[in-house]
Amino acid sequence: DQQVKQNSPSLSVQEGRISILNCDYTNSMFDYFLWYKKYPAEGPTFLISISSIKDKNEDGRFTVFLNKSAKHLSLHIVPSQPGDSAVYFCAAFRGTGRRALTFGSGTRLQVQP
Amino acid sequence: KAGVTQTPRYLIKTRGQQVTLSCSPISGHRSVSWYQQTPGQGLQFLFEYFSETQRNKGNFPGRFSGRQFSNSRSEMNVSTLELGDSALYLCASSLSESSWGEQYFGPGTRLTVT
Repeated sequence: DQQVKQNSPSLSVQEGRISILNCDYTNSMFDYFLWYKKYPAEGPTFLISISSIKDKNEDGRFTVFLNKSAKHLSLHIVPSQPGDSAVYFCAAFRGTGRRALTFGSGTRLQVQP
Repeated sequence: KAGVTQTPRYLIKTRGQQVTLSCSPISGHRSVSWYQQTPGQGLQFLFEYFSETQRNKGNFPGRFSGRQFSNSRSEMNVSTLELGDSALYLCASSLSESSWGEQYFGPGTRLTVT
């Protein structure tokens, strides 16, 4: 039972354009959401997070949007740069009780120069 | 400051054997979490240790176990290895318990079970 889903395994965008990575979740108990970026042969690095009391969080070129009613979040990267080419994972957890982190399967972003 | 280190980086084992992986967190970090990454299942949380106690656990069978020492170093053990245990095992450390937004990952141990 995949509680966090990233339905697009890959995405290709042109440098300077917007990249939009999507993530859906089924567990309504999740109240914190994170995005990680992973380069080959490296561990993931934390990118940005959002709690369920917000619908938007921004950090430089990265913005995460949360739509709780649709159980959907998205990561926007504007403008996209070739160095953003990586695999992006969304993840979620509950703020109380069992705080195990649940990941999506990842989306490989390729930014073309 | 040195990052998270994992040893060994690569390992080949035979089905039915057991394996122990090691993780040294960033100095001062007290939480260590373990993850399994496979092409089919993606990235999955195994467990978290904080102050030598397992604090959170993912949905893995009891063959997967771990421990944390007083210096915060952690080991993960997998007994009775199965072919499906072939994966990249990542550990991550953070200052506090369940600080998922402030955890730093190591490069991983690539385990191949034949």
